[in-house]
Amino acid sequence: EIVLTQSPATLSLSPGDRATLSCRASQSVSTYLAWYQQRSGQAPRLLIYDASNRATGIPARFSGSGSGTDFTLTISSLEPDDFALYFCQQRRGWPPTFGGGTQVEVE
Amino acid sequence: EVQLMESGGDLVQPGGSLRLSCEASGFTFTDYWMHWVRQGPGKGLVWVSRLNGEGSTTSHADSVKGRFTISRDNAKNTLYLQMNSLRAEDTAIYYCVRGHYASGTYFDSWGQGTLVTVSS
Repeated sequence: EIVLTQSPATLSLSPGDRATLSCRASQSVSTYLAWYQQRSGQAPRLLIYDASNRATGIPARFSGSGSGTDFTLTISSLEPDDFALYFCQQRRGWPPTFGGGTQVEVE
Repeated sequence: EVQLMESGGDLVQPGGSLRLSCEASGFTFTDYWMHWVRQGPGKGLVWVSRLNGEGSTTSHADSVKGRFTISRDNAKNTLYLQMNSLRAEDTAIYYCVRGHYASGTYFDSWGQGTLVTVSS
């Protein structure tokens, strides 16, 4: 099973700041990686798939990059609704697995 | 608009059974793989089961294999998860999830979840 490690566990930032979230895989997942956002009390929402493709309706301030074992989700300028929990997920190995999450909180 | 509405979550004793349902609308149900993903209290996300559009191909996580069964009724646009021999560690919110059109194992639409609590 491929293990995904996200860092940091918590990111304390202010609205308007740039957020950089990391996801590292225990073995190569090529570009078969997705990112999800989970607001408090809500279900997750797909943001990015195949490492860098934005899902339908996702604003351009969200971008993804990386390949192999190291991936980054960048939020260029945080808006109030962006303070949430973020998960990465791989589909290269079986079963699909998720990272432990990064909480983006208001500083 | 894609909608997924789960039901059936409840408090059940260890060793008990439960069946979860998920009513889908807003898309052609038979075109998509469907999944169950769970989230334990204060924990991360764990994939549980998947089923193809025809209902002919299934997979389950090792932790639930032999105890959980995923199925679907395409005439009713409904996905099911039959959960037997429940354990305390199965306590979680269970999400009904649609597989992404380009790859069935990204998850592009989620229900609001239904809570399963296994406790005596």
